[in-house]
Amino acid sequence: AQSVTQLDSQVPVFEEAPVELRCNYSSSVSVYLFWYVQYPNQGLQLLLKYLSGSTLVKGINGFEAEFNKSQTSFHLRKPSVHISDTAEYFCAVILKSGTYKYIFGTGTRLKVLA
Amino acid sequence: DTAVSQTPKYLVTQMGNDKSIKCEQNLGHDTMYWYKQDSKKFLKIMFSYNNKELIINETVPNRFSPKSPDKAHLNLHINSLELGDSAVYFCASSQMASGETQYFGPGTRLLVL
Repeated sequence: AQSVTQLDSQVPVFEEAPVELRCNYSSSVSVYLFWYVQYPNQGLQLLLKYLSGSTLVKGINGFEAEFNKSQTSFHLRKPSVHISDTAEYFCAVILKSGTYKYIFGTGTRLKVLA
Repeated sequence: DTAVSQTPKYLVTQMGNDKSIKCEQNLGHDTMYWYKQDSKKFLKIMFSYNNKELIINETVPNRFSPKSPDKAHLNLHINSLELGDSAVYFCASSQMASGETQYFGPGTRLLVL
């Protein structure tokens, strides 16, 4: 069975500081990896995804993530955050074949402080 | 131009009532999903339909019944509502291919009193 772990439930950070949101996954088969963002009172939207190729993936709003197969991680980073980045961030995986079911992590609340 | 829309946005109702939530997507996708997000923001898939056929049916009480009249619509009917059904329900759609992005609706906030 697949699982996704986001160890940090909340991450406070000052504006213009860098941030890293951690995501680790467990799967016996190959997976695709995603980061979604949920702004207050809205649905989720895709930040970035890793399907294949370069392990460093760039997404919207200046975010990037690096796929590390040996550590089964897909951490999300941004070099300088803005107040507007305050949101809930979800890591997710889906099997490369078979079911089309996303497995979501429990989310990390990023709070950017002025 | 809303890609995935849900109605209603808010739903407040009494225990024991029956209610429906509607979802429509105009992205031309062939697969639609229902998710439940609890108060701790935990997101859990409930159902998925591909071209009107049920493909994912998680462990959900049978009081919840999805219905897909066509591939652009996926409705969720809930019978005999319980306090524990209070949550935000999200509809999403995608193309049926692993690795495809899911597009989410704005959510329906259900409060059962």
